[in-house]
Amino acid sequence: ELKVEQNPLFLSMQEGKNYTIYCNYSTTSDRLYWYRQDPGKSLESLFVLLSNGAVKQEGRLMASLDTKARLSTLHITAAVHDLSATYFCAVDVNRDDKIIFGKGTRLHILP
Amino acid sequence: NAGVTQTPKFRILKIGQSMTLQCAQDMNHNYMYWYRQDPGMGLKLIYYSVGAGITDKGEVPNGYNVSRSTTEDFPLRLELAAPSQTSVYFCASSYSANSGANVLTFGAGSRLTVL
Repeated sequence: ELKVEQNPLFLSMQEGKNYTIYCNYSTTSDRLYWYRQDPGKSLESLFVLLSNGAVKQEGRLMASLDTKARLSTLHITAAVHDLSATYFCAVDVNRDDKIIFGKGTRLHILP
Repeated sequence: NAGVTQTPKFRILKIGQSMTLQCAQDMNHNYMYWYRQDPGMGLKLIYYSVGAGITDKGEVPNGYNVSRSTTEDFPLRLELAAPSQTSVYFCASSYSANSGANVLTFGAGSRLTVL
């Protein structure tokens, strides 16, 4: 059964710093997604990664996928307070459309 | 377009009661999903459907039932509510693009408390 592990689960960081969130998964997949959730809100899509070596960037966030290592990273550059949220990675299990989420990384950016 | 609509937004149930969480989407998506979110536990997949008449179990299906008689609707039924089912429930839908991407559009969530 697919396991999706994120770390860290909680991250408190200063504005202006860089950091990386890691997402490991336990079985073969080449489709990985990142979502953002603000407190008390629903989830919204951030990135879709569909092949080994895929890299996507939006503003201060950059996501990448290494399917051989079964690892995705979400890199935050020069963090700002508006990026405070919970970030989830999700994996599509062997293309059978069962989408499994990690536990999420709660990111708190201090001014 | 309304997107994915969930009702009710909040509900309090007594142990042993039954209820149905409604989910409707107007985007003609063929895939629909139900997740539950408990604090610090991420989202757990309850059931999903790849089209009308087809449903399949997710990670935590016990205590729940679903049906998918139309493309638009995917109700989640709790037959005998238990305190362990206190959670926030999210419905989501998607279509499988030619690229293989399966990006979920989420509803606003339904907060259920079982006392």
